[in-house]
Amino acid sequence: ELKVEQNPLFLSMQEGKNYTIYCNYSTTSDRLYWYRQDPGKSLESLFVLLSNGAVKQEGRLMASLDTKARLSTLHITAAVHDLSATYFCAVALSIHGPGGKLIFGQGTELSVKP
Amino acid sequence: EPEVTQTPSHQVTQMGQEVILRCVPISNHLYFYWYRQILGQKVEFLVSFYNNEISEKSEIFDDQFSVERPDGSNFTLKIRSTKLEDSAMYFCATSTGGLEAFFGQGTRLTVV
Repeated sequence: ELKVEQNPLFLSMQEGKNYTIYCNYSTTSDRLYWYRQDPGKSLESLFVLLSNGAVKQEGRLMASLDTKARLSTLHITAAVHDLSATYFCAVALSIHGPGGKLIFGQGTELSVKP
Repeated sequence: EPEVTQTPSHQVTQMGQEVILRCVPISNHLYFYWYRQILGQKVEFLVSFYNNEISEKSEIFDDQFSVERPDGSNFTLKIRSTKLEDSAMYFCATSTGGLEAFFGQGTRLTVV
């Protein structure tokens, strides 16, 4: 059974600081996703990582994937208040077909304080 | 930009009542999914649907749940006899079969 674990689950940061969220998964996967969720809202896709060593960046967020270690990281650079949200990683298995069946981590609730 | 639309946004129902949650997929999408998220918890896969039949379902998706695409456009999730523990946010997601699924804004179901 595929398990996805994130840490930390709660993260309180000061503006301007850097931090990393970790996502470990238990079974070989060929797709890993990062989503952002604001309170009471839907899931906003941030990144799709497909291969070992993949790195993607958007603004202050950078995601990477190490398939050998079954680990993905979401790095936050110089955090700003607008990044406050819950971040989920999710893993897909190709045997389950196209990109819709995802196994999610528990989520990391990020709070950026001035 | 095309989006997945869910209705209603919030539904309050009495325990034991049937509810139907509706989703309008993006027009060229062929794969459909339902997820749920109990308040403060992670998002959980319920069911996938393709070619008018269930492709896969989780252990959460028991006999109380059903899905269908009644008119070729809407994709529905029915809960026959709601329980308190069914209270959650339910997300529909649809996909072309490519890398990503697109999520709707969710329906918050409250069972009282």
